[in-house]
Amino acid sequence: DSGVTQTPKHLITATGQRVTLRCSPRSGDLSVYWYQQSLDQGLQFLIQYYNGEERAKGNILERFSAQQFPDLHSELNLSSLELGDSALYFCASSVGVLSHEQYFGPGTRLTVT
Amino acid sequence: GQQLNQSPQSMFIQEGEDVSMNCTSSSIFNTWLWYKQDPGEGPVLLIALYKAGELTSNGRLTAQFGITRKDSFLNISASIPSDVGIYFCAGRSGANSKLTFGKGITLSVRP
Repeated sequence: DSGVTQTPKHLITATGQRVTLRCSPRSGDLSVYWYQQSLDQGLQFLIQYYNGEERAKGNILERFSAQQFPDLHSELNLSSLELGDSALYFCASSVGVLSHEQYFGPGTRLTVT
Repeated sequence: GQQLNQSPQSMFIQEGEDVSMNCTSSSIFNTWLWYKQDPGEGPVLLIALYKAGELTSNGRLTAQFGITRKDSFLNISASIPSDVGIYFCAGRSGANSKLTFGKGITLSVRP
């Protein structure tokens, strides 16, 4: 158990819908990272927040957004969902803004039908 | 952008055998990490390497940070069935906090 929690574990929704994925980092960690994992693309970095502020952006679509709240939990919002958005979404956390070691949650499996 | 190459995509070994995986890049990294992912779970950090030439062990696992800083190696000795999973390398360069991941190698261990 990494100490990172993610909810829900599974999510099935229809195209065009909007969903919110939630992540709670390990106790004491200030950075939260979101990743998308699909079969053909591997683990793709989406976005990082550190202590409530956006810190780094990766291959995140404009339809996706995230935020980190004062209690350090984070939410990833996915809107206007398409079939190709079906994937595993992982949250990871680390102590600092440039920490090398990231600890991953169990993931949310999103299926868009 | 930066890419990490892991090949082959899958490896099949017999229980008790040693196995070696490598990860290569066309650009220099200053941190290398190895993760293992079990089915239905998130990646778990196995070993972190911070210095060129560094050799670090974690039980039966040994990883090395290549001296060119463009590659890293992971060795698993005396494999057991629970070693089955996907092994990812990840690297970080410069002051950018973004980790780049390889596509992973799926390891199967035959009893």
